[in-house]
Amino acid sequence: QKEVEQNSGPLSVPEGAIASLNCTYSDRVSQSFFWYRQYSGKSPELIMSIYSNGDKEDGRFTAQLNKASQYVSLLIRDSQPSDSATYLCAVNENGQNFVFGPGTRLSVLP
Amino acid sequence: DVKVTQSSRYLVKRTGEKVFLECVQDMDHENMFWYRQDPGLGLRLIYFSYDVKMKEKGDIPEGYSVSREKKERFSLILESASTNQTSMYLCASSLVGGAREQFFGPGTRLTVL
Repeated sequence: QKEVEQNSGPLSVPEGAIASLNCTYSDRVSQSFFWYRQYSGKSPELIMSIYSNGDKEDGRFTAQLNKASQYVSLLIRDSQPSDSATYLCAVNENGQNFVFGPGTRLSVLP
Repeated sequence: DVKVTQSSRYLVKRTGEKVFLECVQDMDHENMFWYRQDPGLGLRLIYFSYDVKMKEKGDIPEGYSVSREKKERFSLILESASTNQTSMYLCASSLVGGAREQFFGPGTRLTVL
């Protein structure tokens, strides 16, 4: 059974701080990795994708991938209250199906 | 922008009713998916389809069926709704091949009484 694990949280950070969200996955052949943000009562929206080892930056967001350790993370710099949401990690191995983690709830305190 | 729409945001049905949830995408995506999301259980795949008239079971297909007669439309059917099917239902679509992100519809919150 392929698994994607995340700390469910809640992770609380003060406004302006860096939030660090972590995800581990069990399937070594996984090729692509995604972070989704989901506000309460809404559907997930894609915020980052990463395919190669290393860092990928997009605005205040940085995704980090380490395939050897089967680990992917998301850093949010200068966290804002509007970043408060659940963040879902998704892992894709064959271009069709995803395996989603349970999500980490982030709370950014003003 | 990719747009995935679902027929209802909120739906209330009675036990034993036949329920249709419809999903339409406008970006010519080959793949379409149905998930349900429950607190503490995350997103669970019910069925997916990678082409018209093709379907594959996901992790929790029991009690559900699907239909894909046209590329842009993927329907989820609850033949005889039960209270344990009360959930948020999310449709998603993606291009086929390589590593393609999934785009989600707004979701349908179904309550079965």
